[in-house]
Amino acid sequence: DTAVSQTPKYLVTQMGNDKSIKCEQNLGHDTMYWYKQDSKKFLKIMFSYNNKELIINETVPNRFSPKSPDKAHLNLHINSLELGDSAVYFCASSQVSDGYTFGSGTRLTVV
Amino acid sequence: RKEVEQDPGPFNVPEGATVAFNCTYSNSASQSFFWYRQDCRKEPKLLMSVYSSGNEDGRFTAQLNRASQYISLLIRDSKLSDSATYLCVFPGGGNKLTFGTGTQLKVEL
Repeated sequence: DTAVSQTPKYLVTQMGNDKSIKCEQNLGHDTMYWYKQDSKKFLKIMFSYNNKELIINETVPNRFSPKSPDKAHLNLHINSLELGDSAVYFCASSQVSDGYTFGSGTRLTVV
Repeated sequence: RKEVEQDPGPFNVPEGATVAFNCTYSNSASQSFFWYRQDCRKEPKLLMSVYSSGNEDGRFTAQLNRASQYISLLIRDSKLSDSATYLCVFPGGGNKLTFGTGTQLKVEL
């Protein structure tokens, strides 16, 4: 009974392609996030949505577009993929000041 | 000064040892902190919350030194299964959490 699930787990694609990663949480949390973990293992926030509304948008290229159809889902669409986009992308959710619950990650490799 | 700084390690310790990590932070307004654990190729998982009075959970003790702006994590009687990366985390605005780069712990026989 996975709390935060994201798909796919692995994604290998060519430069220039467009791809999407999906995330769903069944915890009833109001806030969802996308984090990127690069090859140096540094976790950096990309976006945060609270109840379908965008509240955090860190300096992310506009090739990355999040979409939240409802508060249980937060998807990430990436246009014109570049080599530097290769990383692990983590979805997470939280409620107020609680800690996050993370999904298991999507390992994106751009070739 | 970076928002959060941690010694990346690795800390190589024998089983049964006591090991401590520190994490310094720059935002003096931060009220609560967290320690997360991340195993290789896995997602980060919440280990402990850190309050002003500190927090203890079994072999793990977390403390906050607000004057010197650091938090610490002490692990007693280390187990092989404690081998992981430990991430220091503090809240920013809008429910955002800022993560340190992590300290790698390797517990050896």
